[in-house]
Amino acid sequence: QQKVQQSPESLSVPEGGMASLNCTSSDRNFQYFWWYRQHSGEGPKALMSIFSDGDKKEGRFTAHLNKASLHVSLHIRDSQPSDSALYFCAASESNYAQGLTFGLGTRVSVFP
Amino acid sequence: DMKVTQMPRYLIKRMGENVLLECGQDMSHETMYWYRQDPGLGLQLIYISYDVDSNSEGDIPKGYRVSRKKREHFSLILDSAKTNQTSVYFCASSSLGGGDTGQLYFGEGSKLTVL
Repeated sequence: QQKVQQSPESLSVPEGGMASLNCTSSDRNFQYFWWYRQHSGEGPKALMSIFSDGDKKEGRFTAHLNKASLHVSLHIRDSQPSDSALYFCAASESNYAQGLTFGLGTRVSVFP
Repeated sequence: DMKVTQMPRYLIKRMGENVLLECGQDMSHETMYWYRQDPGLGLQLIYISYDVDSNSEGDIPKGYRVSRKKREHFSLILDSAKTNQTSVYFCASSSLGGGDTGQLYFGEGSKLTVL
C-alpha cells in the first residue's frame, strides 16, 4: 500500500481559480510533509514544507496540516498557466530530507 | 549557483549494454540520491549516499549500483541494462540540515531507453 496517498489524480482549474490538492499518510510515523512541483521536462522543485498543525502560506500557496489525521492539503489561489504541473506530496519521520517518501502526484492543468 | 547537473540528458542503449549516468552538484551537499520516475509509479528511491563511499540501498536497488568518490559527484551504473530499466532517472542532493534547509534539489533528469 502506498504510504503517501494523493488525490485527486488530476485536476483542471480555470485561470484565476482555486486548486485544492490532498495528501494523506497511512504511516503514523510520517509527521513532516513537503510539497514538490514538477513542470514537464524538468526535475521536481521544492514548493514548501509544513511541519506544524495549521496553515502555512507562501504567496499564492497555502498548505494545511492536520497531524491527528495525517492529512495535508495544498491550495493554490489565483491559479496561473505556469501552475500547470505535477504536484508531489512527500512525507518523512523527521524534518530531514533523507527519509522522504513521495506520493504518486496530482497533475494540475490551468486553462484560460 | 545551487545546481544539480545530470549527464547525459538522453541515452539509448541496447539490452545487455552497460550504462553510466553521472550527476554533479555545486552546493557541497553531503547527501545525494538517485530516483527513477515512471508513469503511475511516482518517484522511487534507488540509492542514497550520505557522503563519499557511504552508500545505502533505497527501495529498488536491484540491477543498479552507485559510486561516490567525490562529495560533489554521484554516479549510477547499470551493468547489463534491461528493457524494464527504461525510465527517467533523477539525481538529487540535500544538506544535512533539517527543516527548510533540508529540501531536495533535483537535476533535470536523464531519460534512458533500453531497446
